[in-house]
Amino acid sequence: AQSVTQLDSHVSVSEGTPVLLRCNYSSSYSPSLFWYVQHPNKGLQLLLKYTSAATLVKGINGFEAEFKKSETSFHLTKPSAHMSDAAEYFCVVGRAGGTSYGKLTFGQGTILTVHP
Amino acid sequence: SQTIHQWPATLVQPVGSPLSLECTVEGTSNPNLYWYRQAAGRGLQLLFYSVGIGQISSEVPQNLSASRPQDRQFILSSKKLLLSDSGFYLCAWSGAHGEQYFGPGTRLTVT
Repeated sequence: AQSVTQLDSHVSVSEGTPVLLRCNYSSSYSPSLFWYVQHPNKGLQLLLKYTSAATLVKGINGFEAEFKKSETSFHLTKPSAHMSDAAEYFCVVGRAGGTSYGKLTFGQGTILTVHP
Repeated sequence: SQTIHQWPATLVQPVGSPLSLECTVEGTSNPNLYWYRQAAGRGLQLLFYSVGIGQISSEVPQNLSASRPQDRQFILSSKKLLLSDSGFYLCAWSGAHGEQYFGPGTRLTVT
């Protein structure tokens, strides 16, 4: 079994300040972890993925996330927010090393607002 | 590179009418395919997945059905739409590490 909890439903930052979106997970297996971004009325775009390699994962658009097994966390960060980062973000857990048709479990999403 | 298409982009249908949404993937063979629904404020719900032609697994009992007539084609259907079928429908295929890549989505409004 697996689950994921996004600790904040809304996060608001000013442009140019750091972004932190928090995610905790639970999994009976070694997890694969992903962050996705969704802009209004668009599909989900994969930002980054952790698949049992380096614990610090770099993604697109300056985002990165660190897998911390002891804390069962996979928080998403960005040093400096841009207005275009305003969107909804989903933390997602799957099963590492499993088949490529493994089901994913999605968090409820965090809406990021960026103020000028 | 791989791309995924969905159509139509938006659809307004009356209650009781049929539905057909199509998803196609390019640039990969024998992909695993998924249909999700995203209702307002309710996150993503996996509806169906398919590991091959003619192989469909249903996650949620409802008045929707799915079919996979060709390797890279996935269709979501209904014989009679309900108001509760309104939502944003997303198709996805899965990569080598289990990550999924999503299409642009179809916004369905049932009136």
